[in-house]
Amino acid sequence: DVKVTQSSRYLVKRTGEKVFLECVQDMDHENMFWYRQDPGLGLRLIYFSYDVKMKEKGDIPEGYSVSREKKERFSLILESASTNQTSMYLCASSVPTGGGFSNQPQHFGDGTRLSIL
Amino acid sequence: AQTVTQSQPEMSVQEAETVTLSCTYDTSESDYYLFWYKQPPSRQMILVIRQEAYKQQNATENRFSVNFQKAAKSFSLKISDSQLGDAAMYFCAYRSSGANSKLTFGKGITLSVRP
Repeated sequence: DVKVTQSSRYLVKRTGEKVFLECVQDMDHENMFWYRQDPGLGLRLIYFSYDVKMKEKGDIPEGYSVSREKKERFSLILESASTNQTSMYLCASSVPTGGGFSNQPQHFGDGTRLSIL
Repeated sequence: AQTVTQSQPEMSVQEAETVTLSCTYDTSESDYYLFWYKQPPSRQMILVIRQEAYKQQNATENRFSVNFQKAAKSFSLKISDSQLGDAAMYFCAYRSSGANSKLTFGKGITLSVRP
């Protein structure tokens, strides 16, 4: 089974801190994703990456950056944390999609509940 | 841009009965893929069922089936013989057929199961 591991289940940080959320997958997936989940808003895509050192902005990239130095690891960075970034963050990975692989699912981690005080 | 709408924020079902969760989407594309994901209280999101738009036959996975109506852009999930373990948040999602296209999620619906 695919394993997507997020480094922390719960995290509490202060306003203005630089925050790193780490995600590791063990299935050699090319694609990795960071989502933010808020009540009543569903999942919103922050950033995604379809190869090492590649990144693409999602729907809500403002205030975030990402790093993918190795295929299995995708980091989300909050450059200067703010209270409106308090949320649940989900990481996911998948094989490349397109053509005959467009029906392939994304595999998710357990999520990180981040509180910014 | 594609949108996915789950208009019911919450539903409840009696154990052993059947429940249908609704989902509609908006797209101008003819080739795409639809998914239902389940997020139990432990929070790991897992795939429940998927449907290719080019297939007329509705997908089925054990107690889970979909009613896919392409013309109406509707993709509902039916859970038969509901079990306590079905209690979760359910998300409908859309993906176009292009290379590395992203998933667009609905806002989700919280399903509770009454014993």
